[in-house]
Amino acid sequence: DADVTQTPRNRITKTGKRIMLECSQTKGHDRMYWYRQDPGLGLRLIYYSFDVKDINKGEISDGYSVSRQAQAKFSLSLESAIPNQTALYFCATSGVLAGDYNEQFFGPGTRLTVL
Amino acid sequence: QKEVEQDPGPLSVPEGAIVSLNCTYSNSAFQYFMWYRQYSRKGPELLMYTYSSGNKEDGRFTAQVDKSSKYISLFIRDSQPSDSATYLCAMSWGTGNQFYFGTGTSLTVIP
Repeated sequence: DADVTQTPRNRITKTGKRIMLECSQTKGHDRMYWYRQDPGLGLRLIYYSFDVKDINKGEISDGYSVSRQAQAKFSLSLESAIPNQTALYFCATSGVLAGDYNEQFFGPGTRLTVL
Repeated sequence: QKEVEQDPGPLSVPEGAIVSLNCTYSNSAFQYFMWYRQYSRKGPELLMYTYSSGNKEDGRFTAQVDKSSKYISLFIRDSQPSDSATYLCAMSWGTGNQFYFGTGTSLTVIP
């Protein structure tokens, strides 16, 4: 079984709709991250969480919100989706169990299309 | 100016060639340097990890960091078709701090 899972894997939605992307991990890591990947722009950090009560904005948090429901679950919401939020979204985790925090483990990604 | 610059390629080489992938950066505070490999329709996975300056070798892969020039490289020797992927560099100033990724270089190794 995959250590970091994301649901859904693909989603097509319309402008103005609320969307939630979910991430679960079985690695026991305390830190979780949400990125988006766009051609020519690479991976950009949206939000990150060092533990359940610690959530921080990343480089491009406008238009997004997150919820850390448990150590193993981190959700990303688009309150009112717009077309320029069309992208590939990745969840990642890291934890001191990996030696230090500099190895991030990525999920398989969610391809989101906003029409 | 972006924190991390990486030539997107694409790069196409014959099997067995030596591949050189590079990134430059602007923030002299970066201390940790990573290379991730991303296969099509997959999430990135860590390939190499270096702290501060110097070289690190792992099999056919060598990572180099030149902090004086703010330049990092990944060399792949005896490249194989299975090395065909996108390679992303990433950097941070402290363990567990925010990563800054390059845009990725797409590599194809032709049999």
